[in-house]
Amino acid sequence: KQEVTQIPAALSVPEGENLVLNCSFTDSAIYNLQWFRQDPGKGLTSLLLIQSSQREQTSGRLNASLDKSSGRSTLYIAASQPGDSATYLCAVESQKLVFGQGTRLTINP
Amino acid sequence: DTGVSQDPRHKITKRGQNVTFRCDPISEHNRLYWYRQTLGQGPEFLTYFQNEAQLEKSRLLSDRFSAERPKGSFSTLEIQRTEQGDSAMYLCASSAGSYNSPLHFGNGTRLTVT
Repeated sequence: KQEVTQIPAALSVPEGENLVLNCSFTDSAIYNLQWFRQDPGKGLTSLLLIQSSQREQTSGRLNASLDKSSGRSTLYIAASQPGDSATYLCAVESQKLVFGQGTRLTINP
Repeated sequence: DTGVSQDPRHKITKRGQNVTFRCDPISEHNRLYWYRQTLGQGPEFLTYFQNEAQLEKSRLLSDRFSAERPKGSFSTLEIQRTEQGDSAMYLCASSAGSYNSPLHFGNGTRLTVT
């Protein structure tokens, strides 16, 4: 059974800092890994999708990496802004998308 | 393209009542998913459809839960004889169908069972 773990559960940093969110998964037989953002009371917004054959994807200030053999992914956020405050979820897709519990990120002005 | 639409946004019901939620996916997305999310947790998979066919159901989906997707367009999720443990956010998502197509989520239906 696939299990996805995200560390830390919560993170608070000053505006402007670079930061890394971590995701690990137990079964490396995946099609892809996806990172989502969720604002309070809202649905999820897709940020990045890394196919199993890829090592990383970039979108603006976001960079996600994937090491399938070790079951790890990181989401790097550069030059953080208060608008980046949200919960970030990673999910891996094999037969279905399995989510971690998320990291609640707060960027302090 | 207005995105994935869910109705209602909020539902408060008494224990034992039946409720039904609706999801309208992005047009031409042939895959539709239902997830449930409780506070502080990631979404948990419930079921998914490829067109009108329900291809997988989670063990979380007890016999009180039923989902349909007639004609492969919108979908409904019905919960019969609701229990307080059913209180959660119910999220719908759709995708274009290949395994490397990102999921697009609606804003969810928040259910409160009193």
